[in-house]
Amino acid sequence: GENVEQHPSTLSVQEGDSAVIKCTYSDSASNYFPWYKQELGKRPQLIIDIRSNVGEKKDQRIAVTLNKTAKHFSLHITETQPEDSAVYFCAASSYGGATNKLIFGTGTLLAVQP
Amino acid sequence: ETGVTQTPRHLVMGMTNKKSLKCEQHLGHNAMYWYKQSAKKPLELMFVYSLEERVENNSVPSRFSPECPNSSHLFLHLHTLQPEDSALYLCASSQGQGQETQYFGPGTRLLVL
Repeated sequence: GENVEQHPSTLSVQEGDSAVIKCTYSDSASNYFPWYKQELGKRPQLIIDIRSNVGEKKDQRIAVTLNKTAKHFSLHITETQPEDSAVYFCAASSYGGATNKLIFGTGTLLAVQP
Repeated sequence: ETGVTQTPRHLVMGMTNKKSLKCEQHLGHNAMYWYKQSAKKPLELMFVYSLEERVENNSVPSRFSPECPNSSHLFLHLHTLQPEDSALYLCASSQGQGQETQYFGPGTRLLVL
């Protein structure tokens, strides 16, 4: 089955710096890669996703890149702010009909120091 | 933040108790999911329902029993749990058209003594 590895497990950056979180997946059939942000004590929320027909997607200060050949994808956050502090989860799925079976990484705790 | 609700938010139970977790979604979605979130482990998909029919059971022990009476409600019935079952149990829903956003509930923090 699919396996998703995520690194680093913790990341501390200074406010204004960039942060990069990397994930690798094992199933070459995976074609959908979302990223979820979970603030302390709150529910996970989707922040960006990418499908296998594109290599990069941007939304303001966040971007995701995908390398299908190497089977890895990354989250890039620029100009980090204290409110970016949270746990970030990557996930992968392959097409499965009406439902979306996501396999998650172990999460990255991002701390943005003011 | 009120699209997917879960009750109770916190639950303490003994290993011989029977309890149920409830999830309700107000988004008109057709797919619902149960996840287990433990410290330092990835979110583990437990069950998936599409239009009230279970389509996925990820080798979950039988002491966890899901129920989906309609597309808006999802239950997780618990009985004779073990201390290692202590975790945050998250419910999620999606439209039911494949690879789309999942919307999570706030979770139920479960402690098994």
